[in-house]
Amino acid sequence: DPKIIQKPKYLVAVTGSEKILICEQYLGHNAMYWYRQSAKKPLEFMFSYSYQKLMDNQTASSRFQPQSSKKNHLDLQITALKPDDSATYFCASSPGGVTNTGQLYFGEGSKLTVL
Amino acid sequence: GMPVEQNPPALSLYEGAESGLRCNFSTTMKGVQWFQQNHRGRLITLFYLAQGTKENGRLKSTFNSKERYSTLHIKDAQLEDSGTYFCAPISAGNKLTFGIGTRVLVRP
Repeated sequence: DPKIIQKPKYLVAVTGSEKILICEQYLGHNAMYWYRQSAKKPLEFMFSYSYQKLMDNQTASSRFQPQSSKKNHLDLQITALKPDDSATYFCASSPGGVTNTGQLYFGEGSKLTVL
Repeated sequence: GMPVEQNPPALSLYEGAESGLRCNFSTTMKGVQWFQQNHRGRLITLFYLAQGTKENGRLKSTFNSKERYSTLHIKDAQLEDSGTYFCAPISAGNKLTFGIGTRVLVRP
């Protein structure tokens, strides 16, 4: 019974389009994150949110916009998609805010393919 | 160099054998998480350590913040241990920095 739900699990998009990746966590955690795993790079940190506020952004492109409508939601909107955006996007959460070091719990990922 | 180095890059073991994986970091870290990524791409957390050593069944992990390394030891390897193992030390902001992983293949 997954406690971090990512939707969709797989998606295919065309270059130039826009997609939203959904993440909901039912662990009662206060911090949420996005990580990306592409074929060319190791898993890499993208964003962190703590109590629904953006804490850190390591994503150079403004085409990637996290959205937190509720404390347990952190969606990722990606606009003007490019083939290089093809990757598996992992959502994660941790109990405290990001200033408290603690274990991250990962979702199962959303695999995006951009044609 | 790379902020996180994992060695070896790949490892082949027979069932029942044991081996160790190592992760070196270029700066002092607050903790470390180890993951196994299976053939479906799912990330399974094996350990979270803020210090010292933890054991879980056939697996054991150590984190040495001062010497800037962590290890993962696999005993009595089983076929289901095959996968890619990632070390991810934790820095300020509770941020994980992943290594490129060690691909482990356990053979019958």
